[in-house]
Amino acid sequence: SQKIEQNSEALNIQEGKTATLTCNYTNYSPAYLQWYRQDPGRGPVFLLLIRENEKEKRKERLKVTFDTTLKQSLFHITASQPADSATYLCALDIATSGTYKYIFGTGTRLKVLA
Amino acid sequence: EPEVTQTPSHQVTQMGQEVILRCVPISNHLYFYWYRQILGQKVEFLVSFYNNEISEKSEIFDDQFSVERPDGSNFTLKIRSTKLEDSAMYFCASGKSRVITDTQYFGPGTRLTVL
Repeated sequence: SQKIEQNSEALNIQEGKTATLTCNYTNYSPAYLQWYRQDPGRGPVFLLLIRENEKEKRKERLKVTFDTTLKQSLFHITASQPADSATYLCALDIATSGTYKYIFGTGTRLKVLA
Repeated sequence: EPEVTQTPSHQVTQMGQEVILRCVPISNHLYFYWYRQILGQKVEFLVSFYNNEISEKSEIFDDQFSVERPDGSNFTLKIRSTKLEDSAMYFCASGKSRVITDTQYFGPGTRLTVL
């Protein structure tokens, strides 16, 4: 069956450290993978997209890797800050009928401790 | 910066009642979506809509659900006869095109509580 798993339900790290979140999937062959941030009671906010032929993508303190052999994406936040505390979701595109729908993982709740 | 808006922010209804959740997508977007998130669970795709018709729907989107774009700006989700298990956050999203790099923008959500 198709599955998307994110490494842990919650992750606590100290301010200034690098947070690493994992997204593993099975029985999908996505062309793209996206990472979103979700704050409590709010909708997901797009952060980064990585294509299947890209190994790594960066945006400011964020870095995403995508290994289609391992079926895994890693999401890194360097020099983490308490404001980075949120739930982070990975999402795979399932392109059918010419439109895209996203299948989301369950999310990892990150807490950055001051 | 343009954003997707949703009303109401919280809707409480009795089981069996009909509810309509409203969304105003970003004005130059052509693709519209509804997702739901049951408390503590993952975001789930419900339906996508383009050119005034449903493009795709999930198995959750059964006959009690319908979507409509009644005018040039609103996009609505109707639940005909609500059940307790319909209690969730409902997110509307819109996108400019089919190109995946034109990402979907999500609204703040409507919390639906069915009693």
